[in-house]
Amino acid sequence: EVQLVESGGGLVQPGGSLRLSCAASGFIFSRYWMSWIRQAPGKGLEWVANIKRDGGEEYYVDSVRGRFTISRDNAKNSVYLQMSSLRAEDTAIYYCSSYHDTYHFPYWGRGTLVTVSS
Amino acid sequence: QSALTQPASVSGSPGQSITISCAGTSSDVGGHNYVSWYQQHPGKAPKLMIYDVTNRPSGVSNHFSGSKSGNTASLTISGLQAEDEADYYCASYTSSGTYVFGTGTKVTVL
Repeated sequence: EVQLVESGGGLVQPGGSLRLSCAASGFIFSRYWMSWIRQAPGKGLEWVANIKRDGGEEYYVDSVRGRFTISRDNAKNSVYLQMSSLRAEDTAIYYCSSYHDTYHFPYWGRGTLVTVSS
Repeated sequence: QSALTQPASVSGSPGQSITISCAGTSSDVGGHNYVSWYQQHPGKAPKLMIYDVTNRPSGVSNHFSGSKSGNTASLTISGLQAEDEADYYCASYTSSGTYVFGTGTKVTVL
């Protein structure tokens, strides 16, 4: 069974940094693309970033490019999202998702809440 | 990277059919057959309902169906049931290698 467990969320001040982690199990992690998708309180879903199986390609939504960095460690079956220069509008539940040679998101974690506030 | 446009809300009585539209551009919905749909109940993670415009994952009821015409995709729920009441989001791969979600539609079963 595919399992994705996010961690690392919390309260951070504007301008601060935070690193999210997503631990994966139940599938061959190195064969899957990984994505981060977020949802602000009471709002819709927003795709944030993704990373190729071997970490060789990364893509970002314009609003986070240059501030967020996605990375992965295939030996630890984990994907990360390093977030810096955080803004109030980055407040959201952050979900990680995995997909294999497809263009949709069949597997989701339960999410971790990031709150950016002073 | 503007969000795809969905109606804010759609409602129907049990047994009726409803259709949710998802309007994009030639760079996303119209440029690829990589439109997917997600159902989200309050406090839960989204669930994949349709992928590649028309395909249903194993375990998803066949009263959900998808289609596309030009830059607009659609999700139809036939024989609406109480448990179908939820938020629904479309998503599309884009020509830039990124993804974009729709604005979301709240489905209410009257």
